[in-house]
Amino acid sequence: EPEVTQTPSHQVTQMGQEVILRCVPISNHLYFYWYRQILGQKVEFLVSFYNNEISEKSEIFDDQFSVERPDGSNFTLKIRSTKLEDSAMYFCALTGRDSYEQYFGPGTRLTVT
Amino acid sequence: AQTVTQSQPEMSVQEAETVTLSCTYDTSESDYYLFWYKQPPSRQMILVIRQEAYKQQNATENRFSVNFQKAAKSFSLKISDSQLGDAAMYFCAYVASDYKLSFGAGTTVTVRA
Repeated sequence: EPEVTQTPSHQVTQMGQEVILRCVPISNHLYFYWYRQILGQKVEFLVSFYNNEISEKSEIFDDQFSVERPDGSNFTLKIRSTKLEDSAMYFCALTGRDSYEQYFGPGTRLTVT
Repeated sequence: AQTVTQSQPEMSVQEAETVTLSCTYDTSESDYYLFWYKQPPSRQMILVIRQEAYKQQNATENRFSVNFQKAAKSFSLKISDSQLGDAAMYFCAYVASDYKLSFGAGTTVTVRA
């Protein structure tokens, strides 16, 4: 089971501010995913990232969102101008035994005020 | 688009007893995977069990087992000998060749001592 950490664990930001959420895999991975979970709702796919390029993205992943792998190890999700409705848990995920199995990081709780 | 339906918002079980959580899904794919994830109050997403659609044998992981009915597109989770630590939200999830996990709305399991 791959290990992954996410920082920060909790981020509070004001509406309109930019936030960067980080995902740090313990070992080298090519395939990454970001999901979000609004409180009390289901987990939703945002984007998949393979070999330093976006592979798939959902309709939620609009121009306010971007993903990068800035230094070859960390994997970031940036929200350019946060809105109240961006408040949610954001999870990154890595593949496990095969490309279908995904293991989630502990999540970052984003609160937009 | 694939849909995953969990019709039981909440389930309660006595410690040491058995509880079964239901899940149905809709897909036109022939090759896919199904998972159950556990989300305790910490909100971490923990992979509990997986089932490959091409396998007829139901998956088992210790006290957790599934009943996979491919023709009926049903994928239920049975928790045997329930423990207090099993209390959590359980999500059924589906993935196919696009590697995007689709989740159900979740079932909250309460374990009574």
